[in-house]
Amino acid sequence: KNEVEQSPQNLTAQEGEFITINCSYSVGISALHWLQQHPGGGIVSLFMLSSGKKKHGRLIATINIQEKHSSLHITASHPRDSAVYICAALQGGSEKLVFGKGTKLTVNP
Amino acid sequence: SQTIHQWPATLVQPVGSPLSLECTVEGTSNPNLYWYRQAAGRGLQLLFYSVGIGQISSEVPQNLSASRPQDRQFILSSKKLLLSDSGFYLCAWSLTGREQYFGPGTRLTVT
Repeated sequence: KNEVEQSPQNLTAQEGEFITINCSYSVGISALHWLQQHPGGGIVSLFMLSSGKKKHGRLIATINIQEKHSSLHITASHPRDSAVYICAALQGGSEKLVFGKGTKLTVNP
Repeated sequence: SQTIHQWPATLVQPVGSPLSLECTVEGTSNPNLYWYRQAAGRGLQLLFYSVGIGQISSEVPQNLSASRPQDRQFILSSKKLLLSDSGFYLCAWSLTGREQYFGPGTRLTVT
């Protein structure tokens, strides 16, 4: 069992829909990252959070430390949001990121 | 501002050939540097990380090696590539050990 599990693996939505991607982890962490990987492969860091909630534009990330669960939400989704979204847990006391396998999001116009 | 470069962007190499991928960071000093691999159908996996010149930690036993000859240069090498070495290789840097910044990546196909 992977230490970081994401769901769903694939997600197709219509433009304007509210999107939720989930991440569960089994390791003790000091922080959790949400990353966006574009079709060309480049990766952009969206959020790093260790508690509570962060918002940037239409993106919202939340984390529940007790339940070892994080969610990434996209409001008013747009085709340009189509990408692979990756959750990565920074193991407590180390600098090692453990990655989920990613969620491929396709937003249709 | 800080910038991270990787080259080449894509590479096709035959089995048994050597490999050298380069990563350089600009605009910062003494960063922690990381090599990750994303194999087809699998998540990103940490291969090596370095906290300083000549200091390399290996996470996964394999036929790859890493070197850090200069503060802002990180090199991934192999003497003989295997088919299983195909994948997308990402370099990343960090100052705090928490927030990491990724390079554009190198897509390696071993034939």
